[in-house]
Amino acid sequence: AQSVTQPDIHITVSEGASLELRCNYSYGATPYLFWYVQSPGQGLQLLLKYFSGDTLVQGIKGFEAEFKRSQSSFNLRKPSVHWSDAAEYFCAVGARRSGGYQKVTFGTGTKLQVIP
Amino acid sequence: EAQVTQNPRYLITVTGKKLTVTCSQNMNHEYMSWYRQDPGLGLRQIYYSMNVEVTDKGDVPEGYKVSRKEKRNFPLILESPSPNQTSLYFCASSLGTGIGEQYFGPGTRLTVT
Repeated sequence: AQSVTQPDIHITVSEGASLELRCNYSYGATPYLFWYVQSPGQGLQLLLKYFSGDTLVQGIKGFEAEFKRSQSSFNLRKPSVHWSDAAEYFCAVGARRSGGYQKVTFGTGTKLQVIP
Repeated sequence: EAQVTQNPRYLITVTGKKLTVTCSQNMNHEYMSWYRQDPGLGLRQIYYSMNVEVTDKGDVPEGYKVSRKEKRNFPLILESPSPNQTSLYFCASSLGTGIGEQYFGPGTRLTVT
């Protein structure tokens, strides 16, 4: 069974500083990997995804993530954080099951606080 | 506008009183899913549906029922709610069999007293 670990429950960064959110996954084959963002009182929105190909993927809002198979990681980065990036971020891993559907497992989330 | 809608957004109820949370999507997606979100536990899948009349259990299905009689609707039913079902619930949909991006509804905050 697949699993996802987000080791940082809460992170605080200054506006304009760089950001890296960590995500480690466990899955026997090549996974589908996702980062979602949840703003306060909202549902989740996809930031970016990795299925195959280039291991550095670009997403919306200036975010990027790098898939490192050797480290089973898919860390999310942003070079300069804006106050509007304050939210909770979820890493997720998807795997294709018999019958063709996707089983998605979410991490426990990292809450980002941005200080002026 | 492409969206997933849920109703109600907030609900306070008492133990044992049956309730239904509705979910509807206007994107003609085959795959729909229900999740619950609890602090420190992330999102956990309750049930999913690959198409009309095709549903299956997720990771935490106990105490919940679902149905998929129409492609656009996927209601979540709690026949006898208990306080441990107090949570934030999300409906999501996805094109095809669910591989790829999921589109989430705004959430339903349920409190069972």
